[in-house]
Amino acid sequence: QQQVKQSPQSLIVQKGGISIINCAYENTAFDYFPWYQQFPGKGPALLIAIRPDVSEKKEGRFTISFNKSAKQFSLHIMDSQPGDSATYFCAASITGGYQKVTFGTGTKLQVIP
Amino acid sequence: SQTIHQWPATLVQPVGSPLSLECTVEGTSNPNLYWYRQAAGRGLQLLFYSVGIGQISSEVPQNLSASRPQDRQFILSSKKLLLSDSGFYLCAWSVMSRINYGYTFGSGTRLTVV
Repeated sequence: QQQVKQSPQSLIVQKGGISIINCAYENTAFDYFPWYQQFPGKGPALLIAIRPDVSEKKEGRFTISFNKSAKQFSLHIMDSQPGDSATYFCAASITGGYQKVTFGTGTKLQVIP
Repeated sequence: SQTIHQWPATLVQPVGSPLSLECTVEGTSNPNLYWYRQAAGRGLQLLFYSVGIGQISSEVPQNLSASRPQDRQFILSSKKLLLSDSGFYLCAWSVMSRINYGYTFGSGTRLTVV
């Protein structure tokens, strides 16, 4: 019940295209859903996050879509660029306590020119 | 501003040797601290977390241990390394708050056990 399932494992997108990564969760107590971006040899960095009281959050070319009833959320990268090539992790956590974050298994995105 | 420091960046150690990785946080007080391991091309595995000085919780049984001797210092140790301990070790911090800002990760230590 603590798992966050992420797909696809890898993704190749043409420059200018839309990259879509999907995640699903079971634990309805989760109330914070961040996405992390990790470049090779670096630590993950917080990219964008959403709470379940909104269905969509947009920051620049990055958008999170959230479907509370389906317990699913996704990351959309519009106008994908080669610089977006990285591994993306979705995550979920419960506010309060020691803030344990459950991570998805990661999606390696490659944007080709 | 808050910063997190991890060192060393890379480390090659023989099997059976000891290990000490250090992580320090600046610009915040009483952070929650975490050690994660990431195997090559794999996800993030939580190893230890700490909510305060001397308070360590282990998520995965193994030959690693963690200590928090100071509020903003977190150390990952091993008495005898195994080949399977190779990986990318990440320290992270968060502040316990109703407003949840997620984790901030360090730059990681690439450990190769030979």
